[in-house]
Amino acid sequence: DAKTTQPPSMDCAEGRAANLPCNHSTISGNEYVYWYRQIHSQGPQYIIHGLKNNETNEMASLIITEDRKSSTLILPHATLRDTAVYYCIVREGSQGNLIFGKGTKLSVKP
Amino acid sequence: GAGVSQTPSNKVTEKGKYVELRCDPISGHTALYWYRQSLGQGPEFLIYFQGTGAADDSGLPNDRFFAVRPEGSVSTLKIQRTERGDSAVYLCASSATGTSGKETQYFGPGTRLLVL
Repeated sequence: DAKTTQPPSMDCAEGRAANLPCNHSTISGNEYVYWYRQIHSQGPQYIIHGLKNNETNEMASLIITEDRKSSTLILPHATLRDTAVYYCIVREGSQGNLIFGKGTKLSVKP
Repeated sequence: GAGVSQTPSNKVTEKGKYVELRCDPISGHTALYWYRQSLGQGPEFLIYFQGTGAADDSGLPNDRFFAVRPEGSVSTLKIQRTERGDSAVYLCASSATGTSGKETQYFGPGTRLLVL
């Protein structure tokens, strides 16, 4: 079973920041937090991952709380093309597969 | 470079038939994963290859499902005696070594299987 909890859906206005929360209260010390997204009819796309520190790349920022029990994915300037299902995944360092939950369906609106 | 490719993109078959789904991973990636995604659900793990061998096949639902990767590159997922409940999108992913939790898995576009 997925070790994360996410809201089923969120809306965001185009051009505004989208903040997607994720709870992972049972995360252990060697588990990473991964974010993927899936645009309709496509395969999942990697966004970002982190262990303890906040991370930023060209797509998004990942903020992990100090106790690591929750995180937030931030899309700084959402566009219509960011409309997708966003998956937060907790993954052990040596684990092969990803365990997906149902994710958050983000709808970016004009 | 080229990403993960999967063929066919769509497959329609009849109940009881045999199907093969193909995955071409990113060149040089030793780890390959198969997932299955039903409508409205997240992808569900099926099997993970490290090179030519199946490192974890715990996600295969029953013995009608089988996968091979004979030369450590292309993989084929085989489904015997298909059932209507097998209808789903079958996703393939690859990663460089599969031995680090920091590694990114890159997904293909999937094969949409419909069993009538």
